[in-house]
Amino acid sequence: AQSVTQLDSQVPVFEEAPVELRCNYSSSVSVYLFWYVQYPNQGLQLLLKYLSGSTLVKGINGFEAEFNKSQTSFHLRKPSVHISDTAEYFCAVSDRPGSARQLTFGSGTQLTVLP
Amino acid sequence: EAGVTQFPSHSVIEKGQTVTLRCDPISGHDNLYWYRRVMGKEIKFLLHFVKESKQDESGMPNNRFLAERTGGTYSTLKVQPAELEDSGVYFCASSQDSAGAWKQYFGPGTRLTVT
Repeated sequence: AQSVTQLDSQVPVFEEAPVELRCNYSSSVSVYLFWYVQYPNQGLQLLLKYLSGSTLVKGINGFEAEFNKSQTSFHLRKPSVHISDTAEYFCAVSDRPGSARQLTFGSGTQLTVLP
Repeated sequence: EAGVTQFPSHSVIEKGQTVTLRCDPISGHDNLYWYRRVMGKEIKFLLHFVKESKQDESGMPNNRFLAERTGGTYSTLKVQPAELEDSGVYFCASSQDSAGAWKQYFGPGTRLTVT
């Protein structure tokens, strides 16, 4: 069985400061990792994904994440946040890319960027 | 191109009543998925349609939930009778193919409150 832990439910940060949203997973098999973002009153959008290859993955809006197999982590980072980054962020894992059933989500992290 | 739409955006009903949620996928998308997020916890998969057929309904919590997709276009999710623990946000997603779980486009969700 897989599980995803997002330790921080709320992360407030000032504009132009760096941010890291933490995600740890547990799985007994190879995993595929994802970050989704939900802006207010919108659906979930895929921010970035790790399927294979380089462990540093770059996504949209200047976000990046690093897959660390030994620490079973996939933390999301941005060097300088904007007010518009205020949203809820979800980490997700899949052990097979071919089926929706295999997407396991974390409980989400609300990022609030303060002026 | 219109995205995935869901109706209503919010619904407040009393315990024991019936509620029907609707999802209109992106035109041409054969795959339609329902997810639920209860009480700010993780987002959980409910079921997956391919056209009008249920491909996987293993995430449906119990027989009070009935999903349909007549004609392979829009889908409805009926909860009858609703219980307090059914409160949460119900997301719908659609995709053109099911080969990648991350290829789904999500709707904004329906927030259901059962009092």
